[in-house]
Amino acid sequence: DTGVSQDPRHKITKRGQNVTFRCDPISEHNRLYWYRQTLGQGPEFLTYFQNEAQLEKSRLLSDRFSAERPKGSFSTLEIQRTEQGDSAMYLCASSSQVGEQFFGPGTRLTVL
Amino acid sequence: AQSVTQLGSHVSVSEGALVLLRCNYSSSVPPYLFWYVQYPNQGLQLLLKYTTGATLVKGINGFEAEFKKSETSFHLTKPSAHMSDAAEYFCALGQAGTALIFGKGTTLSVSS
Repeated sequence: DTGVSQDPRHKITKRGQNVTFRCDPISEHNRLYWYRQTLGQGPEFLTYFQNEAQLEKSRLLSDRFSAERPKGSFSTLEIQRTEQGDSAMYLCASSSQVGEQFFGPGTRLTVL
Repeated sequence: AQSVTQLGSHVSVSEGALVLLRCNYSSSVPPYLFWYVQYPNQGLQLLLKYTTGATLVKGINGFEAEFKKSETSFHLTKPSAHMSDAAEYFCALGQAGTALIFGKGTTLSVSS
């Protein structure tokens, strides 16, 4: 197993466009987390899944954000009508029920 | 509310010198505490973790941290810094299987 992977690694988009990111967790992990990291800050929690169920969403996850994990494997994070304030690194992590979180390399989003 | 405070956004040491990165936390329940390292344009790598039991925790690359409940601290140390230790370090707080709360990070610079 090669760890958590994310695609794309970089995304540049124009304000108002929609973007979608993908995360593939470590195969035996049933929990999957999304975080956002802006420059000079630590990662901030967005949402997490146990299998296909979305168990918690942060208040940071506005109506323009939606996340899915349809079959309990990979997950997607979509941002609609992007704004310049959405520019950040989006990090995905996975874990077992009670284990530590392993992070992917992140997707860096730049909104022009 | 739970929180993590990292004292000092930037720490500079000479190669071979002691590394000390400070982390204080606030939690109403027994905390799980973590230190992660992040190299430029990469995801986070777990250095070490405290869950229960022994309060002195050893991690990878010669790092260790001590959980001090009375001081609500979890400082990270390394006896002798290497150039390769230059990176961003994050302290994080959580419980088993929950989202992590991160500090703002400390940038470690190592000079020769």
